[in-house]
Amino acid sequence: EDKVVQSPLSLVVHEGDTVTLNCSYEVTNFRSLLWYKQEKKAPTFLFMLTSSGIEKKSGRLSSILDKKELFSILNITATQTGDSAIYLCAVEAFTNAGKSTFGDGTTLTVKP
Amino acid sequence: GAVVSQHPSWVICKSGTSVKIECRSLDFQATTMFWYRQFPKQSLMLMATSNEGSKATYEQGVEKDKFLINHASLTLSTLTVTSAHPEDSSFYICSASRRAGETDTQYFGPGTRLTVL
Repeated sequence: EDKVVQSPLSLVVHEGDTVTLNCSYEVTNFRSLLWYKQEKKAPTFLFMLTSSGIEKKSGRLSSILDKKELFSILNITATQTGDSAIYLCAVEAFTNAGKSTFGDGTTLTVKP
Repeated sequence: GAVVSQHPSWVICKSGTSVKIECRSLDFQATTMFWYRQFPKQSLMLMATSNEGSKATYEQGVEKDKFLINHASLTLSTLTVTSAHPEDSSFYICSASRRAGETDTQYFGPGTRLTVL
């Protein structure tokens, strides 16, 4: 059974801090790992990672995948209060036609 | 592009009634749609995978007679919670899978908050 474990489960930081969120996984026929940000409604897509060692970057957010050690990290630099959200990690397998297995998420709170 | 809508966005109903939630891909055809359930402060739990024109595939522990899924067209899937009870109160989210080349990307709807009194 596919499995995704995120850590920490929750995190409180102050504006300007840098945070690193972790995601480890076990999946048969790995295809991709995805990061989402969820605020009050449904998740919004952040990154899709398929290859090891290639950093994906969007503004202050970046993410990288290690397919040998089976984990990914999501970095957020110079955090802002608007970054407060649940960050979800999910994995897809080739055999599942887009079906994702989600981790429990990391709840990030950024204090002013 | 790649917008997914859900209707209604919230619904309150009495125990014993049935509630239908619609999920539409507005600007693309989705051969596969997924239905998730999310409890407060918890992650998304996949309920079922819905393919156009065929029966939905339910995850273990999800009652298919309780949660009826119909994928009538390439842009519409519906989830009907039959004989709803307070424990069915939850946030229901659908996603639609869009294929680009060999990649399937999921796009989420905004979710439906169901409260059963």
